[in-house]
Amino acid sequence: QMQLQESGPGLVKPSETLSLTCTVSGGSISGYYWSWIRQPPGKGLEWIGYIYYSGSANYNPSLKSRVTISVDTSKNHFYLKLSSVTAADTAFYYCARDAPPGLWGQGTLVTVSS
Amino acid sequence: EIVLTQSPATLSLSPGERATLSCRASQSISSYLAWYQQKPGQAPRLLIYDASDRFTGIPARFSGSGSGTDFTLTISSLEPEDFAVYYCHERSNWPYTFGQGTKLEIK
Repeated sequence: QMQLQESGPGLVKPSETLSLTCTVSGGSISGYYWSWIRQPPGKGLEWIGYIYYSGSANYNPSLKSRVTISVDTSKNHFYLKLSSVTAADTAFYYCARDAPPGLWGQGTLVTVSS
Repeated sequence: EIVLTQSPATLSLSPGERATLSCRASQSISSYLAWYQQKPGQAPRLLIYDASDRFTGIPARFSGSGSGTDFTLTISSLEPEDFAVYYCHERSNWPYTFGQGTKLEIK
């Protein structure tokens, strides 16, 4: 049974780059769309972007200038980088599979603070 | 960007009652609408996709309907574990969006 797990620093300083990894276990990363979705504490959900296993990606225009999503099929990982972060980027970050996503990671809280 | 408006914001009901949650899209999204349930500290759980198809393992008391701009999630008889926040989500146009959520609370 496929599972997803987010990992990365839980605290990032303002103006720095947030970097997260999603590890896909129990199956191959090939053949699927993979997404990053975030949720500020107590608030709603925002789709950051998605990538096909082949490497083509699409980003939310509201974040496009700061976001990079990439995939490493050899490691069964995909990644999120969000640059120039501010307090507004504090959120639970989820990795997920497909659209609509039926498989999610448990989420990881990233706090932006000095 | 398509805006999804959910109503009501909060719904107070008792176990055994029927729940009706609404989601309205700012423009037609055909049937590209999904419903999620989220409990505190958990990731969202997919209930319904393509407006009316139940996802794997979802109980039959959950049903979805609608097309175009108006959609409904119905829970036929509430179980204690159904009290949570529910989000609708569209994948008609990029960027995909979510509604602001309906909190279903115990009366």
